[in-house]
Amino acid sequence: GENVEQHPSTLSVQEGDSAVIKCTYSDSASNYFPWYKQELGKRPQLIIDIRSNVGEKKDQRIAVTLNKTAKHFSLHITETQPEDSAVYFCAAASGANNLFFGTGTRLTVIP
Amino acid sequence: DVKVTQSSRYLVKRTGEKVFLECVQDMDHENMFWYRQDPGLGLRLIYFSYDVKMKEKGDIPEGYSVSREKKERFSLILESASTNQTSMYLCASSSKAGNTIYFGEGSWLTVV
Repeated sequence: GENVEQHPSTLSVQEGDSAVIKCTYSDSASNYFPWYKQELGKRPQLIIDIRSNVGEKKDQRIAVTLNKTAKHFSLHITETQPEDSAVYFCAAASGANNLFFGTGTRLTVIP
Repeated sequence: DVKVTQSSRYLVKRTGEKVFLECVQDMDHENMFWYRQDPGLGLRLIYFSYDVKMKEKGDIPEGYSVSREKKERFSLILESASTNQTSMYLCASSSKAGNTIYFGEGSWLTVV
């Protein structure tokens, strides 16, 4: 099956700086790569996703890049704000609708 | 707006008890999932279901069973709870057509 690795496990940045979280996957058939944000005590919520026919996608301060050849994808958050502090999960899926998640990154934005 | 509701947010059970975790979704989704979330281990899939009365094992099914008698409801059952099943359990659903998974608020289970 699919194996998704996520790094780093914790990340601290100063408010206003950028944050980058990286994931790798093993199954070349995977074609859907979402990112979820989980605030303390809350449910994970989808913040952005990318499909394998696209190399980059942007939504305001967040962007995701995908390198299919290298089997890795990254989440970029620019101009970080304290409310960006949360645990972020990457995931990968093939057509079976079954997501395989990374182990999560705890992002802390220091005011 | 998709709503996935887990009926119990916080439970404390004794070792050996039978535990039911209930999940209901209101979007007529075909797929439903149960995940377990532990620090440093991310989200691990326990069981999933693609249709009523259908179930498939995920990565960590041992010690768990599930029931899907109605499309909107997916139950997770711990036949005999053990302390290593203390965790946060997340239910989720998705449509057959799309990959996006919607999560419930989670159920915190403590087994003493």
